[in-house]
Formats: sequence, structure tokens, C-alpha cells
Amino acid sequence: DIQMTQSPSTLSASVGDRVTITCRASQSINSWLAWYQQKPGKAPKLLIYKASSLESGVPSRFSGSGSGTEFTLTISSLQPDDFATYYCQQYNTYPWTFGQGTKVEIK
Amino acid sequence: QLQLQESGPGLVKPSETLSLTCTVSGGSITSSSDYWGWIRQPPGKGLEWIGTVYFTGRTYYNPSLKSRVTISLDTSKNQFSLKLSSITAADTAVYFCARAHYYGSGSDYTGGGLDVWGQGTTVTVSS
Repeated sequence: DIQMTQSPSTLSASVGDRVTITCRASQSINSWLAWYQQKPGKAPKLLIYKASSLESGVPSRFSGSGSGTEFTLTISSLQPDDFATYYCQQYNTYPWTFGQGTKVEIK
Repeated sequence: QLQLQESGPGLVKPSETLSLTCTVSGGSITSSSDYWGWIRQPPGKGLEWIGTVYFTGRTYYNPSLKSRVTISLDTSKNQFSLKLSSITAADTAVYFCARAHYYGSGSDYTGGGLDVWGQGTTVTVSS
């Protein structure tokens, strides 16, 4: 299985901060990587697919980059609605696997 | 607008088989662009992919669950289902159904993120 490792596990930030979350794959996944946002009691929401494509309706402050084994999710200016847990997921190879999650907390 | 809705028992006894159904509305499960999957989330933990089915009936399972999992389509009802046998307390989780949508061709082939999710259904394993 491809292991997906996110860092950090928890991130404390303030409104307006630029935030970056990293996701590393244990082997190349080309660009088949998605990012999700999840709030308590809710289903995950797709933010980014194929590493850097912004899902329709997602604010442009979210962006994704990377290919191969290293990927980043950047929030250019953190908004109150962005405090949540973020997951990366590879879908290059079965079994699809998720990172362990990064919780973005209010500083 | 495509919507997914999970249904099934909220409480299952150990050693029994969990059966869940995902009803798809606003679209067809026979679309060649879509894969339909199940994902679960134990309390306070992360997401675990269980498996995926394509409109042809081809299935892909998580090896950690493969011996216990069956995912199938019911095209007449526009539903897909999950069966998980020999349930234990470790299977207590919120279970989500979701769609992965692909589009384009050749070098422009893209998509694949899980773009539509059900709200999730909580399954507790207890006697």
C-alpha cells in the first residue's frame, strides 16, 4: 500500500495567515492526489483534485501543488470558515489511501 | 444535482454482517465516468477507504478488509451497497458513500477526487 504522511498533524494559525500543509507519498503517485476539508460531524468536502485543480465552488485562496511524492495544500489567507481538518488522498493505485489528517486550529 | 444517501442499521451485533445501501439521485450509477465507493471513519480517527465499484460491476477492495467486504450495484434501483461480514467493535465507524468522477481524454484525462459524498451513517457494533 502507498503510505500518505501529512505534516504537521496540528497547526495553530490566525485569521489572515498563509497556511501550508504537506503530504508525502511513500512512492510516486504522479499527480493523482486530492485534498479534502472536513468539519466535525460532516462529510469531507473535495477542495483540490489531480494535485492542483480547484474543485468548482471552492474559494481561490485554496491551492494545491506538487507531483510524484511531495504535495502541498496552501491557504493564502486563512478565513474563520477554514478552521477544520484537512486530508490528502492518493488515487493513483489501489488501495486508495488517505493521510492521517491535519487539524487547523485557531491560534 | 447529484446526491447520495446512505441507509442501514445503526446497531449491529458482533460477528454479524453489516449491510448498507447508498441511493443515488440526480444521476445514474451506470455512468462510465464514475466510480462509486465506501469510506469509513472510526470515532475520533481518520478516513479509511473500504472499496469502489465501477458501472461494469468491477470492484476494488482494501486488502485489509477484502476477505470480509462485498460491494455491489443495483442498477434497477440506482443504488450500490456494502456488506461487511464478521463484524467486530473495530468496525464501529461513520460510513460514507461517495462518487469519484473522471473526465477528459488522453493527456487531459482528469478528475477522480471524491466529489460527492453522502452525509454518512453511524454504525455501532455492540451486543
